[in-house]
Amino acid sequence: SQQGEEDPQALSIQEGENATMNCSYKTSINNLQWYRQNSGRGLVHLILIRSNEREKHSGRLRVTLDTSKKSSSLLITASRAADTASYFCATPPQETSGSRLTFGEGTQLTVNP
Amino acid sequence: DGGITQSPKYLFRKEGQNVTLSCEQNLNHDAMYWYRQDPGQGLRLIYYSQIVNDFQKGDIAEGYSVSREKKESFPLTVTSAQKNPTAFYLCASMRGSTDTQYFGPGTRLTVL
Repeated sequence: SQQGEEDPQALSIQEGENATMNCSYKTSINNLQWYRQNSGRGLVHLILIRSNEREKHSGRLRVTLDTSKKSSSLLITASRAADTASYFCATPPQETSGSRLTFGEGTQLTVNP
Repeated sequence: DGGITQSPKYLFRKEGQNVTLSCEQNLNHDAMYWYRQDPGQGLRLIYYSQIVNDFQKGDIAEGYSVSREKKESFPLTVTSAQKNPTAFYLCASMRGSTDTQYFGPGTRLTVL
């Protein structure tokens, strides 16, 4: 079964609005990552948050991590049509690093101009 | 340009044929990965390799095979034993223990 599960599965907003996506996971983690995938393309790494961090920013992206609830959220502020993509969370197993990632099912974000 | 390349972009296969998907990276990364993605779904790990001449099965290895004879290359063969091979295949690499993966552009395989 998937380690990470994103919520909602699909999100449609207007340009300029904020978009929030959530990810829940099951086991303890060292870090949690968010990736973006434009339709028919490969994934692009957006941001990594470590288990001892609670919040991280990168440009218009804000990621939070709550290890007690085993959940993370990705906030995209002032969204643009170009933000339309699928967003995935991913986690490595805690006992190792430099190995495999487990990806969630993704949230499909549509930003309408 | 540094990065990961996958070829071909589109591949068509007749039932019963084996096909090999290419993945090359010039990032000097040790680890490489193959994922399968079905429409509207997440990524599922097929095989991964953390070092040359060594690889491990992922969650859906049946019907697939790989080799890792060179650090920069990790080809995936989809065999005739894979009953439903039509999908989007993504290759990725990772440097050391950073956990961040870099993806190629993908190969879309269609069985006719």
